[in-house]
Amino acid sequence: GENVEQHPSTLSVQEGDSAVIKCTYSDSASNYFPWYKQELGKRPQLIIDIRSNVGEKKDQRIAVTLNKTAKHFSLHITETQPEDSAVYFCAARSYGGSQGNLIFGKGTKLSVKP
Amino acid sequence: NAGVTQTPKFQVLKTGQSMTLQCAQDMNHEYMSWYRQDPGMGLRLIHYSVGAGITDQGEVPNGYNVSRSTTEDFPLRLLSAAPSQTSVYFCASSLNRDEQYFGPGTRLTVT
Repeated sequence: GENVEQHPSTLSVQEGDSAVIKCTYSDSASNYFPWYKQELGKRPQLIIDIRSNVGEKKDQRIAVTLNKTAKHFSLHITETQPEDSAVYFCAARSYGGSQGNLIFGKGTKLSVKP
Repeated sequence: NAGVTQTPKFQVLKTGQSMTLQCAQDMNHEYMSWYRQDPGMGLRLIHYSVGAGITDQGEVPNGYNVSRSTTEDFPLRLLSAAPSQTSVYFCASSLNRDEQYFGPGTRLTVT
């Protein structure tokens, strides 16, 4: 089945700097890759997603890139702000494998220091 | 539109007790799922359902039962609680298994 590895597990940046979180997946049939943000004590919420027919997607200060050959995808946050501090989860979904369910990485705790 | 709701928010059980975590959604989503979240372990799928009357096991199903008698409700039952089931439980729903809408979570402690 699918396996998703996420790095780093913790990331600390200064306000205004960029942050990059990377994930690798094992199932070459995976074709949907979302990113979720979870603030302390809250529920995970989708912030951006990408499908395998697209190499990059942007939404204001966040972007996701996908390299299907290398089987990895990354979340980029530019001009970080204190409110970006949260745990970020990547996930992958194979329509044929893992029963078609999302498989999540273990999360990255991002701290943005003012 | 309440989205996904879960009750209770907090629960303390003694080892061996049973209980049901409630989950409901009002978005007419066919797909519903239960995850547990443990520190450093991410979100792990317990059980899921692709529609009323259909359920299946996820990654970590042992010790849990589910049923889906209606589109709206997807309760999770702990048969005989164990300390290893101390966790935060999230219910989620989705139109097509892609974007998941999570409930607020239930924090369960088993002593």
